[in-house]
Amino acid sequence: GQQVMQIPQYQHVQEGEDFTTYCNSSTTLSNIQWYKQRPGGHPVFLIQLVKSGEVKKQKRLTFQFGEAKKNSSLHITATQTTDVGTYFCAGPYGDKIIFGKGTRLHILP
Amino acid sequence: DAGVTQSPTHLIKTRGQQVTLRCSPKSGHDTVSWYQQALGQGPQFIFQYYEEEERQRGNFPDRFSGHQFPNYSSELNVNALLLGDSALYLCASSPRTSMTDTQYFGPGTRLTVL
Repeated sequence: GQQVMQIPQYQHVQEGEDFTTYCNSSTTLSNIQWYKQRPGGHPVFLIQLVKSGEVKKQKRLTFQFGEAKKNSSLHITATQTTDVGTYFCAGPYGDKIIFGKGTRLHILP
Repeated sequence: DAGVTQSPTHLIKTRGQQVTLRCSPKSGHDTVSWYQQALGQGPQFIFQYYEEEERQRGNFPDRFSGHQFPNYSSELNVNALLLGDSALYLCASSPRTSMTDTQYFGPGTRLTVL
């Protein structure tokens, strides 16, 4: 069936270290979206990638969409305590959006 | 510019009861989608409403139903509640029916079924 898989499920990093989460789709996607959910909060849209091989940056965050449009990654450089939360990727499958299970990022001071 | 609002914030029900959750979309948005998010999981798509009709549906039983009003606000109804229905219910709005559009989420309703 339609699946969006994210790894790792959890990640603990020291403040200042880098962090990467990976997203893989069972099928080719027309686009992929990334969301961040703070503890106790709701998902907040970060970015949408559409083109094969696309790379977008938002300050310390770098998003990539694979050439085959089946995988994506989010990389955070020099993590800060404000980066704590769960990062979800999501993609359209037909007319539905399917979310991955997310990667929970915990920052060690 | 008001974002997506949901009510109530929290709700406690017992098995077998019925519940209605409410959502007002972001200003300028006409499409509302509902998601169920169990603890430690990603949001699961329930259904989407546009022009007061259910347009798309995820893998949820008929106990889950909804409605959209002329002002684009929406309700999610769940009948015959089960313990497994305990979750955060999220409403998201977008400006058109395409599911490729950004989802603007509300704060959610935390439902606990005892």
